[in-house]
Amino acid sequence: GAVVSQHPSRVICKSGTSVKIECRSLDFQATTMFWYRQFPKQSLMLMATSNEGSKATYEQGVEKDKFLINHASLTLSTLTVTSAHPEDSSFYICSARDPRQIRSGNTIYFGEGSWLTVV
Amino acid sequence: DAKTTQPPSMDCAEGRAANLPCNHSTISGNEYVYWYRQIHSQGPQYIIHGLKNNETNEMASLIITEDRKSSTLILPHATLRDTAVYYCIVRVEAAGNKLTFGGGTRVLVKP
Repeated sequence: GAVVSQHPSRVICKSGTSVKIECRSLDFQATTMFWYRQFPKQSLMLMATSNEGSKATYEQGVEKDKFLINHASLTLSTLTVTSAHPEDSSFYICSARDPRQIRSGNTIYFGEGSWLTVV
Repeated sequence: DAKTTQPPSMDCAEGRAANLPCNHSTISGNEYVYWYRQIHSQGPQYIIHGLKNNETNEMASLIITEDRKSSTLILPHATLRDTAVYYCIVRVEAAGNKLTFGGGTRVLVKP
């Protein structure tokens, strides 16, 4: 089946620094990827839609200058948390849509998630 | 996308069937019902989806009512590894369409 992989799985960074999280679709090309954030005991919150070759679409309330998204190829999207602060500590998850399904009702696959801790 | 309503939590016994309900009374004719689950500290895992017919795969069965206003996910023989948060989502299948997660149902499978 389709596989989406994230890296790193865990990262600790100092307050004020930037950190990059990668999301790769391993066996399919994804023109669209999605980035979510999840705080403990809460549901996933969509942050932005990453579109290959164009600017990302951010959800209301998400700062685009703080959460930089780059979808430079059909298999890679990156999320950069700039000037990270402790309140940015969270579980970040990406997903990608597998376009190969012929039957309508295509499925979306998720990465393993990346734990970010800002100290 | 139509909103869904799920019970916040439920327990079930290991080896028994787990029936997870979901209400989606405002679902549109072209919206599919998707189920995902999230085991602690992992990304969500696709389980099953359907439009109007009942569906079955190696993981679960999906029963959709005739009026499509509700559905039930059935885990036929729950195991301890099925302990997770289960999300019911309805959406139109389109290239850029996003998944919006509600609260889900926290399922605890007990020995």
